[in-house]
Amino acid sequence: EPEVTQTPSHQVTQMGQEVILRCVPISNHLYFYWYRQILGQKVEFLVSFYNNEISEKSEIFDDQFSVERPDGSNFTLKIRSTKLEDSAMYFCASRGDRVGPYEQYFGPGTRLTVT
Amino acid sequence: AQSVTQPDIHITVSEGASLELRCNYSYGATPYLFWYVQSPGQGLQLLLKYFSGDTLVQGIKGFEAEFKRSQSSFNLRKPSVHWSDAAEYFCAVNAGNMLTFGGGTRLMVKP
Repeated sequence: EPEVTQTPSHQVTQMGQEVILRCVPISNHLYFYWYRQILGQKVEFLVSFYNNEISEKSEIFDDQFSVERPDGSNFTLKIRSTKLEDSAMYFCASRGDRVGPYEQYFGPGTRLTVT
Repeated sequence: AQSVTQPDIHITVSEGASLELRCNYSYGATPYLFWYVQSPGQGLQLLLKYFSGDTLVQGIKGFEAEFKRSQSSFNLRKPSVHWSDAAEYFCAVNAGNMLTFGGGTRLMVKP
């Protein structure tokens, strides 16, 4: 069964460093998402991406964040200058056609630790 | 704005007992509702979804959920819990192009 994959599973970085989290969505999906879950808190929406551009973003997704689909398979989240409060589990998700099922399929997550 | 509340942070049930996890939502339009499960170290797996039609929906692993518009609820149920059901369960509502999640309910299963 097709699945969303994410790398790395765990990333440790120092404050102020740039990190790139990688995701490979399900191959025929059209919509891509990033969510995050700070330890002990809710899963929060960050951004959605469709047709090579951001379709929606939350107030969390400020100028320090960017997303890219550099080729036909990868979908990346970049944090330009990490802060301690960026420590969280980051989930990538993808969805199929815009008409019909709305379910999003999630990857296993990348745990980001900022020290 | 939309919101989802899961009133129970932790629930412990005995193996073989029935289970009900509560979910209440707030959303102005017709909701699309989901339950996801997260096992330790795993991603979020979709258990079931409600879009329209029959208010009792069946999902994987023997789970079902009932949509009650009058109560703004979408409670998850299972008649007989197995030890492998121990996990965290998240209710979510689709609002536009994003999912809004509840805080989750951690289920523990006693032998």
